[in-house]
Amino acid sequence: GAVVSQHPSWVICKSGTSVKIECRSLDFQATTMFWYRQFPKQSLMLMATSNEGSKATYEQGVEKDKFLINHASLTLSTLTVTSAHPEDSSFYICSASLARNEQFFGPGTRLTVL
Amino acid sequence: GQQVMQIPQYQHVQEGEDFTTYCNSSTTLSNIQWYKQRPGGHPVFLIQLVKSGEVKKQKRLTFQFGEAKKNSSLHITATQTTDVGTYFCAGPWSGTASKLTFGTGTRLQVTL
Repeated sequence: GAVVSQHPSWVICKSGTSVKIECRSLDFQATTMFWYRQFPKQSLMLMATSNEGSKATYEQGVEKDKFLINHASLTLSTLTVTSAHPEDSSFYICSASLARNEQFFGPGTRLTVL
Repeated sequence: GQQVMQIPQYQHVQEGEDFTTYCNSSTTLSNIQWYKQRPGGHPVFLIQLVKSGEVKKQKRLTFQFGEAKKNSSLHITATQTTDVGTYFCAGPWSGTASKLTFGTGTRLQVTL
C-alpha cells in the first residue's frame, strides 16, 4: 500500500510556457501532500505543503504565483510551474504522509526548460 | 532555522566493506527517519526511530538514535552493490508533525 504516482515523469518545454505536474495517492486518501524540488546531487528542498480543500502553505523564498498548487481532492494535488524559465529546470517530487509521519514519495518529474 | 547535516557527503567503498553515515540536527527531534534514493529514483522510506538511544536493525543495516535525540547514524555491514544510492536522514519541523527537514545526504558508491 501507500503508492504515490506522478505524471509526467519527464517534460521538456520552451521558456515562457506553463507546465502542470500531477501527484496522485493511488491506494489511500491524503489530506496533506508535499512538493519538493531537488537539484543534481543535492538534498530535497521543501517547496510547499498542499492541503486538501484549502490554500497551500509555501516555504520561504518560494513564489506562490509562480508555483501554483491545487489540492482539489483527497487523492490529487497538482503543481503548475507558470512561465517557466531555464532556472526552473529541476527534479520535482511530491509526497504524502500517513499517520506514522513517514512520507511516501512519487517517482518524480524531471523538468527541463529550454 | 532547523538544519540537518550529514557526513560524509560521499563515500566510495569496495563490496564487503562497512559503511556509516552520521546525521546531526541543530535542534532536538521528536523522531528521525531514514530514506534511500537510488540514482535516478525517488526517496524510499527505510525506518523511523522515536526513542532516545533507540537501535533498530534491518538485515545488514543498523540505525541508531542518539541519547539527546539530536543525532543519528546508519551503519551498513558488508556492503553490496545494491546498497548504492544516497541516504538521507530527515526530522520533523519543530512544532509540525508532518513536515520534514531532510539532511544533506550521503552518497554511497560500491564497487566490486
